[in-house]
Amino acid sequence: QKEVEQNSGPLSVPEGAIASLNCTYSDRGSQSFFWYRQYSGKSPELIMSIYSNGDKEDGRFTAQLNKASQYVSLLIRDSQPSDSATYLCAVRGESNYQLIWGAGTKLIIKP
Amino acid sequence: KAGVTQTPRYLIKTRGQQVTLSCSPISGHRSVSWYQQTPGQGLQFLFEYFSETQRNKGNFPGRFSGRQFSNSRSEMNVSTLELGDSALYLCASSLTSGQGGQETQYFGPGTRLLVL
Repeated sequence: QKEVEQNSGPLSVPEGAIASLNCTYSDRGSQSFFWYRQYSGKSPELIMSIYSNGDKEDGRFTAQLNKASQYVSLLIRDSQPSDSATYLCAVRGESNYQLIWGAGTKLIIKP
Repeated sequence: KAGVTQTPRYLIKTRGQQVTLSCSPISGHRSVSWYQQTPGQGLQFLFEYFSETQRNKGNFPGRFSGRQFSNSRSEMNVSTLELGDSALYLCASSLTSGQGGQETQYFGPGTRLLVL
């Protein structure tokens, strides 16, 4: 059973600080990794995708991938109250069409 | 480009009834996936359709079914509704079926189903 694990939280971070969200996966052949943000009552929206080991930056967001350790993380710099949401990690294997989803981490940014 | 649309947005049904939900993917997208989301359960994969063929299926009972039309629009049907079917049903579309790994799924606003 291929799994994606996330700490459910809530993770509470002061405004302006760095929020760090982590995700581990069991399928060593996984090739594609996605972070989605979901506000309460809304549908998930894509924040970032990452396919290669290392860091990928997009504005205040940085995704980090370490395939040897089978984890992917999302850093949010200068956290804002509007970043308060549930963050979902999704992983796709090498030959599997299906995305495997983590249960999500609830992030709370305190003003 | 218009996003993924889902109809209806809200639905109230009673136990034993059946329901059909509709999803129109982003123009040009040929893959449609369906998910069920309940509080505390995260996204539960129902099935994926690509070019009118079901490519993947999650662990849901046979009461849950779907189909895809030649224009890539998709419907899912739930028969003999149970109270536990109350959930947000999300549709996501992507350009292809995900082979190769890098296809991104884009979600519609969801259909919120309440079973009484």
